[in-house]
This record gives sequence, C-alpha cells and structure tokens, in this order.
Amino acid sequence: GENVEQHPSTLSVQEGDSAVIKCTYSDSASNYFPWYKQELGKRPQLIIDIRSNVGEKKDQRIAVTLNKTAKHFSLHITETQPEDSAVYFCAAGEGQGAQKLVFGQGTRLTINP
Amino acid sequence: DTAVSQTPKYLVTQMGNDKSIKCEQNLGHDTMYWYKQDSKKFLKIMFSYNNKELIINETVPNRFSPKSPDKAHLNLHINSLELGDSAVYFCASSQEPPSPREQYFGPGTRLTVT
Repeated sequence: GENVEQHPSTLSVQEGDSAVIKCTYSDSASNYFPWYKQELGKRPQLIIDIRSNVGEKKDQRIAVTLNKTAKHFSLHITETQPEDSAVYFCAAGEGQGAQKLVFGQGTRLTINP
Repeated sequence: DTAVSQTPKYLVTQMGNDKSIKCEQNLGHDTMYWYKQDSKKFLKIMFSYNNKELIINETVPNRFSPKSPDKAHLNLHINSLELGDSAVYFCASSQEPPSPREQYFGPGTRLTVT
C-alpha cells in the first residue's frame, strides 16, 4: 500500500521568511496530493492540492510542487505570518476519486515574531 | 450552517464499555469517512462509505463498526473499549468521484478511555 513520508517533523522560521515542507510517496498510482492545515484543537482543513497531471500550483503565498518521477511533492509558504503556525499534513490519494488518502506524519510549523 | 458535525465532542469512558460517535453532513456529499488521530497527531483512515456502501475498510479491529443509515450520516460504534482506543476521531465527507475532491472534516471527538 501507499506510504507517505513527511519532513521535517518540526520547523521554526522567522516571520516574513519562507517555509518548505517535503513529502515522498511510494505508490506510483497515486494521483492526488492535498495539503491540510490543522490549528491547535481544530479540524484539518485543505489549503491547497495538486493533481498528477500538474507540476506546480500557486495560491497567493502558498505553492505546491510535484515531481512524479521522483515521487515527491513540497509545500512552500512565503512571507510567513504568525497565523501560519499550525501542523501541516501532506497526503497522497489513489484511485479514480482518490478517496483513500494516506497522510504524512505532519509538520509542526512555528512562526517566530 | 455547520457542514460536518460530530457528537459528542468529548467522550470519557472506562475500559470495556461500548460507545458510539455520530456524524452528520449537510453538504450533499456522497462519501463519508472516519479517521483516527493518535496522540502523535498521526491521521489514519479507518472506514469510508459511498452512498451507504462500505468502500474502504482499513485494518481496524472488528470492535469498531461503522453504520450509515443514509448518505448524510455515518456513525461509529466501538465495543469493549481499550486504552489504546484513546484518540481524536474525525468524520469527513467529500463529493462523488470521478475527480478527487476536498475532504471536509468534522470538529473531532476526543475519546479518552480510562
């Protein structure tokens, strides 16, 4: 089955700097790669996703890149702000509807003012 | 206007008891899920139902039994609770395939087994 590895497990950056979180997956059949943000005590919420036919996607300060050959994808957050502090999860989904998501272990991102 | 709701929010119970968690979504989605998030924040899928039919059943002890009375509801019943069942359980829902769609999570139910 699919296995998703996420690094680093914790990341601390200064406000205004960029943050990068990386994930690798094992199953070449995976075709959908969402990123979820979970604030303390809250539910995970989708912040951006990418499909396997796309190499990069950007939404304001957030971007995701996908390298299908190497089976890795990354989340990039620029101009970080204190409200970006949270746990971020990558996931890989397979199948027609990618209903089965396998999540990475999570990255706790702390933005220092 | 809550999209995915769960009850109860907190559940404290003793080992050996049986408990249920209820989930409802008002988004008109066809697929619903149960996830378990352990103390290390690891999020793992347990079950998924599409139009009341079980489509994903991960390696979960058979003490856990999901039930979907209709496509807007997915409940989770747990028999003979064990200490290791302590976790946060999230319900989620998404639209029908064919395209991958965002999964909307409920607020979670924190289960503590003593």
